[in-house]
Amino acid sequence: TQLLEQSPQFLSIQEGENLTVYCNSSSVFSSLQWYRQEPGEGPVLLVTVVTGGEVKKLKRLTFQFGDARKDSSLHITAAQPGDTGLYLCAGERWGGGNKLTFGTGTQLKVEL
Amino acid sequence: NAGVTQTPKFRVLKTGQSMTLLCAQDMNHEYMYWYRQDPGMGLRLIHYSVGEGTTAKGEVPDGYNVSRLKKQNFLLGLESAAPSQTSVYFCASSYSPEGRATEAFFGQGTRLTVV
Repeated sequence: TQLLEQSPQFLSIQEGENLTVYCNSSSVFSSLQWYRQEPGEGPVLLVTVVTGGEVKKLKRLTFQFGDARKDSSLHITAAQPGDTGLYLCAGERWGGGNKLTFGTGTQLKVEL
Repeated sequence: NAGVTQTPKFRVLKTGQSMTLLCAQDMNHEYMYWYRQDPGMGLRLIHYSVGEGTTAKGEVPDGYNVSRLKKQNFLLGLESAAPSQTSVYFCASSYSPEGRATEAFFGQGTRLTVV
């Protein structure tokens, strides 16, 4: 059972466009994280959000945790080819024993 | 600082063969994990460990065994490989101070093909 569903699964855009990736669940999470993975590498943590409604910005990336702590979004402004990669959300549940549940992933390609 | 190191990086097995994937971390993390990654399914937890000498089942444990004899090492074993175990395997470690979120550090992965 996949607890975290991401959409879209694939996204191909031109440099300079904006985009939003969604991570949705019917479960409540104590925290939610976003990772980026490049080909042949392991995922690398981008951000952790821990408070319902929290918004964090990392340069051109904006991350939001839903008020009910069941969903999150990643918005990229003026995408660049260097943003290309697989974006994964991951949630941790209270009493979950330090385990992360990963989303299905969004493959982003930014072309010149 | 190497972080999380996995060996080997690539391997091809015949159905029924056995092998062990090695994971080592030098960050003194208590928690270690083995995930598999398949297209369209994200990362699925196979087994994990909350400390030296302890292991527990994750979401997809069947066909795999693990051991954590030393804090820095976490081994994943396949006793009798099957084509369904063709995947990319990732090891991760984490340190979660009380009251803070778990944040995972990943190795570079092992691409395993079972023919």
